[in-house]
Amino acid sequence: EAGVAQSPRYKIIEKRQSVAFWCNPISGHATLYWYQQILGQGPKLLIQFQNNGVVDDSQLPKDRFSAERLKGVDSTLKIQPAKLEDSAVYLCASSPTGHNFMNTEAFFGQGTRLTVV
Amino acid sequence: AQSVTQLDSHVSVSEGTPVLLRCNYSSSYSPSLFWYVQHPNKGLQLLLKYTSAATLVKGINGFEAEFKKSETSFHLTKPSAHMSDAAEYFCVVTVTGGGNKLTFGTGTQLKVEL
Repeated sequence: EAGVAQSPRYKIIEKRQSVAFWCNPISGHATLYWYQQILGQGPKLLIQFQNNGVVDDSQLPKDRFSAERLKGVDSTLKIQPAKLEDSAVYLCASSPTGHNFMNTEAFFGQGTRLTVV
Repeated sequence: AQSVTQLDSHVSVSEGTPVLLRCNYSSSYSPSLFWYVQHPNKGLQLLLKYTSAATLVKGINGFEAEFKKSETSFHLTKPSAHMSDAAEYFCVVTVTGGGNKLTFGTGTQLKVEL
């Protein structure tokens, strides 16, 4: 079974520039998550999709971050404009959860390491 | 609301000695609990999970964890550490009916010395 695919693996941009990350979850997984992991910290949830609907985006800085999952499959996360404090690893994960929430294991991609200079 | 507290940010053990990584959780409903491992420059890998079945859970690479509701704990153990166990370990909680939101602890860095 193919895992969660993310691209690019690494990205370096200057502050105030824009950047986009792409994630392709495991086939058939209904739930997709984007996490931000700052060096030395645990991953923090940015946004969670159930199919193509947003379940939780309470910690997404909506003035600069946006995410979409238009067809309920792959997803993009965008930052515009980037700030120095956005330097982090952005992790995508997917889970085969349905409405009964019984199968809650999440599978993670390798992440995109963003450096803002 | 749900949260996890990993009591040690760094743990150092000698190869061949037992490993104990501590995790306490807080949740309003019955939780599901996970331990994930992250090796440098690698993705997060699931070690084991508790989802209201047996309270003693066995995972990969000889790790196990015991769910103790009375202590709200889910500590990770391994009888004998190996050099390859050196990594960052995250305790994670989610609750049924809580939208499947995964909440991570701050992580424990495990160092294994010869």
